Amino acid sequence: DAKTTQPPSMDCAEGRAANLPCNHSTISGNEYVYWYRQIHSQGPQYIIHGLKNNETNEMASLIITEDRKSSTLILPHATLRDTAVYYCIVRASSGGYNKLIFGAGTRLAVHP
Amino acid sequence: DAGITQSPRHKVTETGTPVTLRCHQTENHRYMYWYRQDPGHGLRLIHYSYGVKDTDKGEVSDGYSVSRSKTEDFLLTLESATSSQTSVYFCAIMGSSNEQYFGPGTRLTVT
Repeated sequence: DAKTTQPPSMDCAEGRAANLPCNHSTISGNEYVYWYRQIHSQGPQYIIHGLKNNETNEMASLIITEDRKSSTLILPHATLRDTAVYYCIVRASSGGYNKLIFGAGTRLAVHP
Repeated sequence: DAGITQSPRHKVTETGTPVTLRCHQTENHRYMYWYRQDPGHGLRLIHYSYGVKDTDKGEVSDGYSVSRSKTEDFLLTLESATSSQTSVYFCAIMGSSNEQYFGPGTRLTVT
């Protein structure tokens, strides 16, 4: 699985958009970008994933650059409950042994 | 939340005793996983299952065994608990797009 690089921490004001970047310059053609988050003392939570097209769901939007070497997770209207560690993971979307490798992630603090 | 529950949610036990943690899912997912999470190590895979009675080791399987006699239940057993197994344990299932959904976790303390 390709390695990812994320900033260690970010701040965001409540109600504003939070834009979390991720670099994955060694991504290969069959690898997807997955985003998870972990709110303190809870289990990790799946947010969204994509291959090359931008994706949106009820939680967030995922913007992947045309060369696929980086992506941005967008929380359009951050709330205090979005304070968490966000993880960007790149992996092939094929069945079987699917160990997730979580890096250090980005610690997002949403403040009033 | 993919219908995943874990029990117990908290447990304190003594060194040398056996401990069994249970993961239960209600949506008939084939793949199930056990991870542990420790400060400075992130999530590490202990064992996983790809069907009833089909299990395999992850990266930190020593001292742990698993069983899956029914689709909905995946049990993790610490055969003889040690202080190094004090951790938070998460169960997960795999969804239709290879995403994983996690349970709420079990906080285990071995004294």
